[in-house]
Amino acid sequence: DTAVSQTPKYLVTQMGNDKSIKCEQNLGHDTMYWYKQDSKKFLKIMFSYNNKELIINETVPNRFSPKSPDKAHLNLHINSLELGDSAVYFCASSTSGRPPDTQYFGPGTRLTVL
Amino acid sequence: KQEVTQIPAALSVPEGENLVLNCSFTDSAIYNLQWFRQDPGKGLTSLLLIQSSQREQTSGRLNASLDKSSGRSTLYIAASQPGDSATYLCAPLGSQGNLIFGKGTKLSVKP
Repeated sequence: DTAVSQTPKYLVTQMGNDKSIKCEQNLGHDTMYWYKQDSKKFLKIMFSYNNKELIINETVPNRFSPKSPDKAHLNLHINSLELGDSAVYFCASSTSGRPPDTQYFGPGTRLTVL
Repeated sequence: KQEVTQIPAALSVPEGENLVLNCSFTDSAIYNLQWFRQDPGKGLTSLLLIQSSQREQTSGRLNASLDKSSGRSTLYIAASQPGDSATYLCAPLGSQGNLIFGKGTKLSVKP
């Protein structure tokens, strides 16, 4: 049973294209996240969604837009892809209780922009 | 702004050694701190979570400690094995609910 899954695992595309990455969790969590790991392996938060509302948006270009059709899904849409968007994107989920619980990560999507 | 530093950046040890990975963070206002493991080309696996009110957590051969006031955490790995080879990431959870990651310690355990 996969707790947090992402599709696709690899994505190769040309500059200027629009692409989406899907994320699903079957843990019953109410908060989901997107992280970006750049070429230097540095992991940084991009977005999080709690009960279908965006609660974090770290200075990410507005070409990136998270979309959550329901509590179990948080998809990442990227418009007008640029070379610098090449990275590994990780989805994660957790509960929103206090104290906050463990975040569980998906396997990642490696995006390559040519 | 929270900054997380992990020392050393890389570590190579012979099998069987006990070792300590260090993590420091600049903002002590954290909810908890997680240690993760990342294997090459793979996602992150949560190893241990320490709540801000706790001092340490243990899981098998792993023991993590937290000194929130001094902004430090350590991950102790006992009797290291080649299968422990991976990058270990430290991530405190801040008030906005997001994890702030260090750059990791790349561990190699030689048979």
